[in-house]
Amino acid sequence: EVQLVESGGALVQPGRSLRLSCAASGFIFDDFAMHWVRQTPGKGLEWVAGINWNGGGIGYGDSVKGRFTISRDNAKNSLFLQMNSLRPEDTAIYYCAKDFTGYTYGNWGQGTLVTVSP
Amino acid sequence: QFALTQPASVSGSPGQTITISCTGTSSDVKNYNLVSWYQQHPGKAPKLIIYEVTKRPSGVSNRFSGSKSDNTASLTISGLQTEDEADYYCCLYAGFRVFGGGTKLTVL
Repeated sequence: EVQLVESGGALVQPGRSLRLSCAASGFIFDDFAMHWVRQTPGKGLEWVAGINWNGGGIGYGDSVKGRFTISRDNAKNSLFLQMNSLRPEDTAIYYCAKDFTGYTYGNWGQGTLVTVSP
Repeated sequence: QFALTQPASVSGSPGQTITISCTGTSSDVKNYNLVSWYQQHPGKAPKLIIYEVTKRPSGVSNRFSGSKSDNTASLTISGLQTEDEADYYCCLYAGFRVFGGGTKLTVL
Protein backbone atom coordinates (compact mmCIF):
# COMPACT_ATOMS: atom_id res chain seq x y z
CA GLU A 1 0.00 0.00 0.00
CA VAL A 2 1.30 3.43 -0.97
CA GLN A 3 1.97 5.63 2.04
CA LEU A 4 3.12 9.22 2.01
CA VAL A 5 3.74 10.91 5.35
CA GLU A 6 4.52 14.62 5.44
CA SER A 7 6.20 16.38 8.33
CA GLY A 8 7.82 19.68 9.16
CA GLY A 9 4.83 22.01 9.11
CA ALA A 10 4.86 24.78 11.72
CA LEU A 11 3.97 28.35 12.60
CA VAL A 12 6.70 30.65 11.29
CA GLN A 13 7.17 34.37 10.91
CA PRO A 14 7.20 36.05 7.51
CA GLY A 15 10.63 36.03 5.91
CA ARG A 16 11.75 32.88 7.71
CA SER A 17 12.50 29.44 6.28
CA LEU A 18 11.01 25.98 6.74
CA ARG A 19 11.80 22.54 5.37
CA LEU A 20 9.09 19.98 4.73
CA SER A 21 9.72 16.27 4.39
CA CYS A 22 7.71 13.42 2.92
CA ALA A 23 8.49 9.79 3.77
CA ALA A 24 7.34 7.38 1.08
CA SER A 25 6.70 3.65 1.31
CA GLY A 26 4.77 0.90 -0.45
CA PHE A 27 6.17 1.55 -3.92
CA ILE A 28 9.49 1.84 -5.73
CA PHE A 29 10.20 5.47 -4.93
CA ASP A 30 12.79 6.13 -7.60
CA ASP A 31 10.43 4.92 -10.33
CA PHE A 32 8.18 7.94 -9.92
CA ALA A 33 8.15 11.68 -10.16
CA MET A 34 6.85 13.42 -7.05
CA HIS A 35 5.05 16.68 -6.34
CA TRP A 36 4.11 19.13 -3.65
CA VAL A 37 0.57 20.53 -3.85
CA ARG A 38 -0.86 23.01 -1.36
CA GLN A 39 -4.36 23.93 -0.33
CA THR A 40 -5.63 27.18 1.11
CA PRO A 41 -9.20 28.02 2.11
CA GLY A 42 -9.21 31.03 -0.18
CA LYS A 43 -7.44 29.75 -3.29
CA GLY A 44 -8.10 26.04 -3.23
CA LEU A 45 -5.53 23.62 -4.61
CA GLU A 46 -2.29 24.83 -6.15
CA TRP A 47 0.58 22.84 -7.62
CA VAL A 48 3.77 24.00 -5.91
CA ALA A 49 6.60 21.95 -7.36
CA GLY A 50 7.47 18.67 -9.04
CA ILE A 51 10.61 16.59 -9.47
CA ASN A 52 11.32 13.68 -11.78
CA TRP A 53 12.66 10.32 -10.65
CA ASN A 54 16.31 11.31 -10.40
CA GLY A 55 16.02 15.03 -9.71
CA GLY A 56 17.14 15.93 -13.22
CA GLY A 57 13.83 17.54 -14.08
CA ILE A 58 12.27 20.09 -11.73
CA GLY A 59 9.46 22.59 -12.06
CA TYR A 60 7.83 25.21 -9.84
CA GLY A 61 4.61 27.13 -9.71
CA ASP A 62 4.96 30.82 -10.49
CA SER A 63 4.09 31.92 -6.96
CA VAL A 64 7.01 30.04 -5.36
CA LYS A 65 9.67 30.21 -8.08
CA GLY A 66 12.95 31.49 -6.68
CA ARG A 67 11.90 30.94 -3.05
CA PHE A 68 11.14 27.21 -2.78
CA THR A 69 13.39 24.27 -3.68
CA ILE A 70 12.20 20.71 -4.19
CA SER A 71 14.60 17.81 -3.78
CA ARG A 72 14.61 14.09 -3.13
CA ASP A 73 16.77 11.40 -1.57
CA ASN A 74 16.01 8.11 -3.31
CA ALA A 75 18.23 6.15 -0.90
CA LYS A 76 15.95 7.28 1.93
CA ASN A 77 12.66 7.24 -0.02
CA SER A 78 12.16 10.87 0.90
CA LEU A 79 10.95 14.06 -0.74
CA PHE A 80 11.71 17.56 0.54
CA LEU A 81 10.55 21.12 0.10
CA GLN A 82 12.84 23.91 1.28
CA MET A 83 10.77 27.07 1.69
CA ASN A 84 12.60 30.38 2.04
CA SER A 85 11.37 33.96 2.35
CA LEU A 86 7.98 32.74 3.50
CA ARG A 87 4.97 35.03 3.07
CA PRO A 88 1.56 35.02 4.75
CA GLU A 89 0.04 33.85 1.46
CA ASP A 90 2.13 30.67 1.71
CA THR A 91 -0.09 29.61 4.61
CA ALA A 92 -1.63 26.30 3.54
CA ILE A 93 -1.78 22.59 3.99
CA TYR A 94 1.08 21.12 2.00
CA TYR A 95 0.53 17.70 0.43
CA CYS A 96 3.13 15.33 -0.95
CA ALA A 97 1.79 13.52 -4.01
CA LYS A 98 3.00 10.63 -6.13
CA ASP A 99 2.91 11.19 -9.85
CA PHE A 100 0.48 9.27 -12.03
CA THR A 101 0.81 9.30 -15.85
CA GLY A 102 3.10 12.35 -15.68
CA TYR A 103 0.19 14.77 -15.56
CA THR A 104 -1.79 13.84 -12.47
CA TYR A 105 -1.39 13.10 -8.78
CA GLY A 106 -2.25 9.51 -8.01
CA ASN A 107 -1.62 9.24 -4.26
CA TRP A 108 -1.54 11.95 -1.63
CA GLY A 109 -0.27 12.16 1.92
CA GLN A 110 -2.37 13.49 4.77
CA GLY A 111 -0.76 16.93 4.54
CA THR A 112 1.20 19.17 6.89
CA LEU A 113 0.06 22.64 7.92
CA VAL A 114 2.29 25.64 7.37
CA THR A 115 1.18 28.91 8.94
CA VAL A 116 3.08 32.10 8.16
CA SER A 117 2.16 34.84 10.61
CA PRO A 118 3.93 37.50 12.71
CA GLN B 1 -3.97 34.36 -16.41
CA PHE B 2 -5.49 30.98 -17.25
CA ALA B 3 -8.16 29.67 -14.92
CA LEU B 4 -10.59 26.76 -14.64
CA THR B 5 -14.09 27.73 -13.51
CA GLN B 6 -16.33 25.33 -11.61
CA PRO B 7 -19.73 25.97 -10.02
CA ALA B 8 -19.37 26.62 -6.31
CA SER B 9 -21.97 24.03 -5.42
CA VAL B 10 -24.27 21.39 -6.85
CA SER B 11 -26.79 19.15 -5.15
CA GLY B 12 -28.77 16.03 -5.85
CA SER B 13 -30.81 13.32 -4.21
CA PRO B 14 -29.71 9.72 -3.73
CA GLY B 15 -30.02 7.78 -6.97
CA GLN B 16 -29.94 10.85 -9.17
CA THR B 17 -27.29 11.83 -11.71
CA ILE B 18 -25.40 15.09 -11.43
CA THR B 19 -22.79 16.81 -13.60
CA ILE B 20 -20.05 19.21 -12.55
CA SER B 21 -18.57 21.46 -15.21
CA CYS B 22 -15.04 22.80 -15.55
CA THR B 23 -14.54 25.59 -18.09
CA GLY B 24 -11.23 27.04 -19.20
CA THR B 25 -10.65 30.74 -19.88
CA SER B 26 -8.78 29.92 -23.07
CA SER B 27 -8.81 26.99 -25.47
CA ASP B 28 -6.42 24.86 -23.42
CA VAL B 29 -9.15 22.51 -22.16
CA LYS B 30 -10.21 22.02 -25.77
CA ASN B 31 -6.67 21.41 -27.00
CA TYR B 32 -5.37 19.13 -24.23
CA ASN B 33 -6.82 15.76 -23.17
CA LEU B 34 -5.11 16.01 -19.80
CA VAL B 35 -8.01 16.86 -17.54
CA SER B 36 -8.26 15.06 -14.23
CA TRP B 37 -10.76 15.14 -11.38
CA TYR B 38 -10.25 14.76 -7.63
CA GLN B 39 -12.67 14.01 -4.82
CA GLN B 40 -11.99 15.41 -1.37
CA HIS B 41 -13.94 14.57 1.77
CA PRO B 42 -13.73 16.99 4.73
CA GLY B 43 -10.41 16.72 6.53
CA LYS B 44 -9.04 14.24 4.01
CA ALA B 45 -6.56 14.42 1.16
CA PRO B 46 -7.81 14.63 -2.43
CA LYS B 47 -8.32 11.37 -4.30
CA LEU B 48 -7.87 10.93 -8.05
CA ILE B 49 -11.09 9.70 -9.65
CA ILE B 50 -10.72 10.60 -13.36
CA TYR B 51 -7.65 11.22 -15.50
CA GLU B 52 -7.08 12.02 -19.18
CA VAL B 53 -10.67 13.29 -19.40
CA THR B 54 -12.42 9.90 -19.30
CA LYS B 55 -10.22 7.27 -17.63
CA ARG B 56 -10.80 5.86 -14.15
CA PRO B 57 -7.97 4.64 -11.92
CA SER B 58 -8.26 1.10 -10.64
CA GLY B 59 -10.76 0.85 -7.79
CA VAL B 60 -12.82 3.92 -8.66
CA SER B 61 -16.52 3.25 -9.09
CA ASN B 62 -17.90 3.27 -12.62
CA ARG B 63 -20.58 5.63 -11.35
CA PHE B 64 -17.97 8.33 -11.97
CA SER B 65 -17.39 9.33 -15.58
CA GLY B 66 -15.69 12.19 -17.38
CA SER B 67 -16.20 13.92 -20.69
CA LYS B 68 -15.22 17.02 -22.59
CA SER B 69 -16.95 19.26 -25.09
CA ASP B 70 -15.19 22.22 -26.64
CA ASN B 71 -13.56 24.12 -23.78
CA THR B 72 -15.54 22.51 -20.96
CA ALA B 73 -14.77 19.27 -19.15
CA SER B 74 -17.43 17.56 -17.08
CA LEU B 75 -17.63 15.05 -14.27
CA THR B 76 -20.82 13.00 -14.08
CA ILE B 77 -21.81 11.00 -11.03
CA SER B 78 -24.66 8.57 -11.56
CA GLY B 79 -26.67 6.71 -8.92
CA LEU B 80 -25.76 9.37 -6.37
CA GLN B 81 -24.91 8.02 -2.91
CA THR B 82 -24.57 9.82 0.41
CA GLU B 83 -20.84 9.03 0.49
CA ASP B 84 -20.40 11.03 -2.71
CA GLU B 85 -20.95 14.21 -0.70
CA ALA B 86 -17.55 15.90 -0.99
CA ASP B 87 -15.63 18.62 -2.77
CA TYR B 88 -14.63 17.97 -6.38
CA TYR B 89 -11.75 19.62 -8.21
CA CYS B 90 -10.81 19.55 -11.88
CA CYS B 91 -7.21 19.91 -12.94
CA LEU B 92 -5.54 20.56 -16.27
CA TYR B 93 -2.04 19.99 -17.54
CA ALA B 94 -1.33 22.15 -20.59
CA GLY B 95 2.36 22.77 -20.18
CA PHE B 96 1.39 24.37 -16.91
CA ARG B 97 -0.67 22.88 -14.09
CA VAL B 98 -3.87 24.47 -12.81
CA PHE B 99 -6.76 23.41 -10.60
CA GLY B 100 -10.33 24.58 -10.68
CA GLY B 101 -11.75 26.34 -7.65
CA GLY B 102 -13.71 23.30 -6.52
CA THR B 103 -17.39 22.32 -6.33
CA LYS B 104 -19.15 21.28 -3.17
CA LEU B 105 -21.53 18.41 -3.82
CA THR B 106 -24.41 18.05 -1.38
CA VAL B 107 -26.46 14.87 -1.40
CA LEU B 108 -29.87 15.82 -0.06
